Amino acid sequence: DIQMTQSPSSLSASVGDRVTITCQASQDISNYLNWYQQKPGKAPNLLIYDASNLQTGVPSRFSGSGSGTDFTFTISSLQPEDIATYYCQHYDNLPPTFGPGTKVDIK
Amino acid sequence: VQLVESGGGLVQPGGSLRLSCAASGFTFSSYAMSWVRQAPGKGLEWVSGISGTGSTTYYADSVKGRFTTSRDNSKNTLYLQMNSLRAEDTAVYYCAKDPLTTVTNAFDIWGQGTMVTVSS
Repeated sequence: DIQMTQSPSSLSASVGDRVTITCQASQDISNYLNWYQQKPGKAPNLLIYDASNLQTGVPSRFSGSGSGTDFTFTISSLQPEDIATYYCQHYDNLPPTFGPGTKVDIK
Repeated sequence: VQLVESGGGLVQPGGSLRLSCAASGFTFSSYAMSWVRQAPGKGLEWVSGISGTGSTTYYADSVKGRFTTSRDNSKNTLYLQMNSLRAEDTAVYYCAKDPLTTVTNAFDIWGQGTMVTVSS
């Protein structure tokens, strides 16, 4: 199975800050990577697909980049409603696996 | 586009439970579907997937031989039959839709989840 790691595991930032989360795959997954946002008590919500494409309806302050084994997720200007846990997920082969998550809160 | 899970509850170890996921707002039979679970306070774990026609199914090693995924395209409903349940199966179970008509194992729409608790 492909292992996904994320860093940091949690972060605290101020409103308006730029926030960056990294995700690393244990082997080359090309661009078969999604980013999800999960708010407490809610289902995950797809934000970024194919590593860098913004899902319809998602604010443009969210972005993703990378390919191969190293990926980055960025919130360009953190907003109070962005408080959530963010997960990366590969879908290069079976089983699709998720990173352990990065919890983001407001300083 | 909406997915609504049901069927969760409290079950004893070794028991069985069947989850359902009712789909609406899209051509259900055209898309692969999956089950993803989340243990309390933990991360996300893919459990199983099924092709649009239902002819092909996929399972995580942790549930293989105990869980069965099926679908009824005439009823726009996905199912997860869970047998020989263990305490470690305790989780919120989400159904999730594949974004393409081919199986990608990516998930663009999720249900709200249904809680399964395995305990005596």
